[in-house]
Amino acid sequence: EVQLVESGGGLVQPGGSLRLSCVASGFTFSSSEMYWVRQTTGKGLEWVSYISGSSTIMYYADSVKGRFTISRDNTKNSLYLQMNSLRVDDTAVYYCAKRAGPWGQGTLVTVSS
Amino acid sequence: DIVMTQSPDSLAVSLGERATINCKSSQSVLYSSNNHNYLSWYQQKPGQPPKLLIYWASTRESGVPDRFTGSGSGTDFTLTISSVQAEDVAVYYCQQYYNTPPYTFGQGTKLEI
Repeated sequence: EVQLVESGGGLVQPGGSLRLSCVASGFTFSSSEMYWVRQTTGKGLEWVSYISGSSTIMYYADSVKGRFTISRDNTKNSLYLQMNSLRVDDTAVYYCAKRAGPWGQGTLVTVSS
Repeated sequence: DIVMTQSPDSLAVSLGERATINCKSSQSVLYSSNNHNYLSWYQQKPGQPPKLLIYWASTRESGVPDRFTGSGSGTDFTLTISSVQAEDVAVYYCQQYYNTPPYTFGQGTKLEI
C-alpha cells in the first residue's frame, strides 16, 4: 500500500523558514515523480513544486519560485520542501503526492506574526 | 497553463440516484505515445485530505468502490457515481498531470444528499 507521511509544519513568522518532509513507502520511490500541493480555504488546491525521480528536473509555481526548494533523498525514501521568506499567503495545508498516485495526510503551515 | 473547469459547482442527489460530475480541460491531456489520459479524480470529505479515486482518467484506485467510474478522453471527462451513498458526501476535484507542470485542478464540485 502506498503511504506518504508529511511532517515539519507549524507556526512561523513572516520572513521565516520551514522545511517540510515526506516519507514514502509501498512503492519504488527512486523512480517516482513527486510533487507538493497546497490547499487554502480561500484559493483551493494549488500545485507548488515537482521533482523527477533522479532529481534532475524541478519545477516551481510562480508564486513560490526563488523562495521554495524541492529536493529528495532516494536512500531515505524522502521528499523535502525548503520554504524560505515565508509570507502570510503561504499559509496552507501542504501535501506531498506521487504523480498519478495518492497524497499524504498533509501538514499545516501557518505564517503569522 | 492547462485550465480545468468542473461542472456543476454543486450537486444535490437522493440516496441511490446517479451523480455525474464533468471536467473539461483547456487542451488535450491525452498522450498519444501511450494512449493515456493524464487525469485524476479526488474525493475530499470535511476535515480530511483529498483521496485518490481514479487515475489515468478511468483506472480505479485500489479499494475504491466500483460505483465510482471515470470516463472520457482528450479534453472532456466525467466522474459517475452510479448509486450515491450517504458516505459519498464530499467535494470532488479533477486534476491534470499532463506533460510538464503546473498540474492544475478543477475548482471542485460539492456533492450533497
